[in-house]
Amino acid sequence: EPEVTQTPSHQVTQMGQEVILRCVPISNHLYFYWYRQILGQKVEFLVSFYNNEISEKSEIFDDQFSVERPDGSNFTLKIRSTKLEDSAMYFCASSDNLAGVGNQFFGPGTRLTVL
Amino acid sequence: GESVGLHLPTLSVQEGDNSIINCAYSNSASDYFIWYKQESGKGPQFIIDIRSNMDKRQGQRVTVLLNKTVKHLSLQIAATQPGDSAVYFCAEISMEYGNKLVFGAGTILRVKS
Repeated sequence: EPEVTQTPSHQVTQMGQEVILRCVPISNHLYFYWYRQILGQKVEFLVSFYNNEISEKSEIFDDQFSVERPDGSNFTLKIRSTKLEDSAMYFCASSDNLAGVGNQFFGPGTRLTVL
Repeated sequence: GESVGLHLPTLSVQEGDNSIINCAYSNSASDYFIWYKQESGKGPQFIIDIRSNMDKRQGQRVTVLLNKTVKHLSLQIAATQPGDSAVYFCAEISMEYGNKLVFGAGTILRVKS
């Protein structure tokens, strides 16, 4: 069964450093998403991406965040200058339709720890 | 803002019993609802979904009920098994607010053998 994969599984970084979280969505999917989950809290939407551009972003997704689909398979989330409060699980998801008519499939997540 | 919330943070059931997990949502414009299961260290896993024009949908051992009058969603798991132990999230989508999933806070389901 096809699945979303994410690397690394755990990333530790110093405050102020840049991190890039990587995702390989399901191959025939067209819509891509990043969510985050702070420990013990609910999953929060960050950004959605379609046709090589951001289609929607939350207030969390400020100028420190960016997304890119550098090739036909990868989808990345970059945090330019990490803050302590960026520590969370980051989940990538993909779907083959607008989420209103199709399920979003989630990856296993990357745990980001900012020291 | 619009939000999705859960009534019970933790539910403990005996193996073999039925489980009911509840969720209240506040956005009456939501079009689509999904239940996700999240096991420790993993991402949310799709369980079942329902559109706003339905009030019930059944899957394998799971049933989702939607009551739009009181903005309530429930997940019923029949014959609960130890492997069902996880955190369960309801999530909603309103096309009015784009295609993002809005998640509830989560309910921990513990199955006792």
